[in-house]
Amino acid sequence: KAGVTQTPRYLIKTRGQQVTLSCSPISGHRSVSWYQQTPGQGLQFLFEYFSETQRNKGNFPGRFSGRQFSNSRSEMNVSTLELGDSALYLCASSLVSPNTGELFFGEGSRLTVL
Amino acid sequence: AQTVTQSQPEMSVQEAETVTLSCTYDTSESDYYLFWYKQPPSRQMILVIRQEAYKQQNATENRFSVNFQKAAKSFSLKISDSQLGDAAMYFCAYRSRVTGGGNKLTFGTGTQLKVEL
Repeated sequence: KAGVTQTPRYLIKTRGQQVTLSCSPISGHRSVSWYQQTPGQGLQFLFEYFSETQRNKGNFPGRFSGRQFSNSRSEMNVSTLELGDSALYLCASSLVSPNTGELFFGEGSRLTVL
Repeated sequence: AQTVTQSQPEMSVQEAETVTLSCTYDTSESDYYLFWYKQPPSRQMILVIRQEAYKQQNATENRFSVNFQKAAKSFSLKISDSQLGDAAMYFCAYRSRVTGGGNKLTFGTGTQLKVEL
């Protein structure tokens, strides 16, 4: 069974650009959550989608947005990139929301903003 | 809002020895989950162990066990017979069971575990 797949694995952007990251959950999973990981702020929750609806949103500016498609794949978009957006972006999937079991994480997308 | 604190940025342990990683949390809720996740250099977060707050019995998974003290809001991880493959960053995490909480995890800052020969 394939795990959570995130693309691209690495990308470099410049300030002011926008970026779209993709997350394909484990087959059958309908919940996808996104996290930002930085050395300074640690792991912070961005948002969660379940059955194409946003369930929860973390404390991030409106430049950060996401969506989920009918096949449960999710994308997150960051517009007007800032240096501070450089981070590892992780997504996690689970069967349902809320889930009594574990969340399964992908290997992340490493974004560098120059 | 819930917070999770890991006060040990780094820990070292000799192979085959036992090490305990500390975690405290703050919440006004009575029903929640607590987790320990491991993040090796490959970056993929892997669940180590899970504890449900309403269960008094401490969770155990092979060489990994927890000491869950609900009143003290403490949740430490004990790794027995440490192996080289245990070297990783370990994160303590909290998840609410309140309706509407979804699958949101609140993480601590992590403890980098080094395993020495």
